[in-house]
Amino acid sequence: DAKTTQPNSMESNEEEPVHLPCNHSTISGTDYIHWYRQLPSQGPEYVIHGLTSNVNNRMASLAIAEDRKSSTLILHRATLRDAAVYYCILRDVDNFNKFYFGSGTKLNVKP
Amino acid sequence: KAGVTQTPRYLIKTRGQQVTLSCSPISGHRSVSWYQQTPGQGLQFLFEYFSETQRNKGNFPGRFSGRQFSNSRSEMNVSTLELGDSALYLCASSYSGSSYNEQFFGPGTRLTVL
Repeated sequence: DAKTTQPNSMESNEEEPVHLPCNHSTISGTDYIHWYRQLPSQGPEYVIHGLTSNVNNRMASLAIAEDRKSSTLILHRATLRDAAVYYCILRDVDNFNKFYFGSGTKLNVKP
Repeated sequence: KAGVTQTPRYLIKTRGQQVTLSCSPISGHRSVSWYQQTPGQGLQFLFEYFSETQRNKGNFPGRFSGRQFSNSRSEMNVSTLELGDSALYLCASSYSGSSYNEQFFGPGTRLTVL
C-alpha cells in the first residue's frame, strides 16, 4: 500500500492560513487522497478528499500537485479549535476501507 | 442524523479475560471498520465489514475478531487479553466503503487491561 510522509508538527498563529504538506511519491493512479484530523480525546473526523483536481469545502482546501506525488491541506484561517493531529491517507480503489493513517502532523495554533 | 455510537465508552479488564465492544453505524451505512489506537503504534486498521462479510483485515492476531449483523451493527471481540491490548478502539462507518466515501468515526472505547 502507498504510504504518506508528513512533518511531525507545525505551528500557526490564529487567524492566519496554514499549509499542511503531505508527500506520497508512490501514489497510484486510482488512489484517493484523504485528510482526516483528530482533536484531543475524540475520534478522527473527515476533512476533505480528492483524486486529481483541487478541492474546496467549508472546512479546508486540498491542493494536489500535477504529478499527484504531493498534496497540501490548506486551512484558510486557523482557529484554536483547529489544533489537532492531521492525517494524510491514500485509499486504494481496490482496498476499500483499509486506511493507513501514518503518524500525522500535530498542528499547534497560537492565540 | 445520529452519529456513530460505541459502547461501552470505558472498560477495565484483567489479563486472560475476553471483551466484546459494540458499534452502531450511522443509519444507512453498510460498511463498518475497526481501528486500534495506542501512543506507540498510532492508528492501526483491524478489519472492515460490509453486509455482514469481512472484506479486509489488518495485521492483528486471531485473538481479535469481529462480526456484523444484518442491521449493520458490529461487534469486536478480543480473547485472552494481554496488557498490550490496552488502547482506544475506534469504529468508523461509511455508506459503501468505497475509496471515495468518507468515514465517520465514533468516540471510541477506552480499554484498559490490568
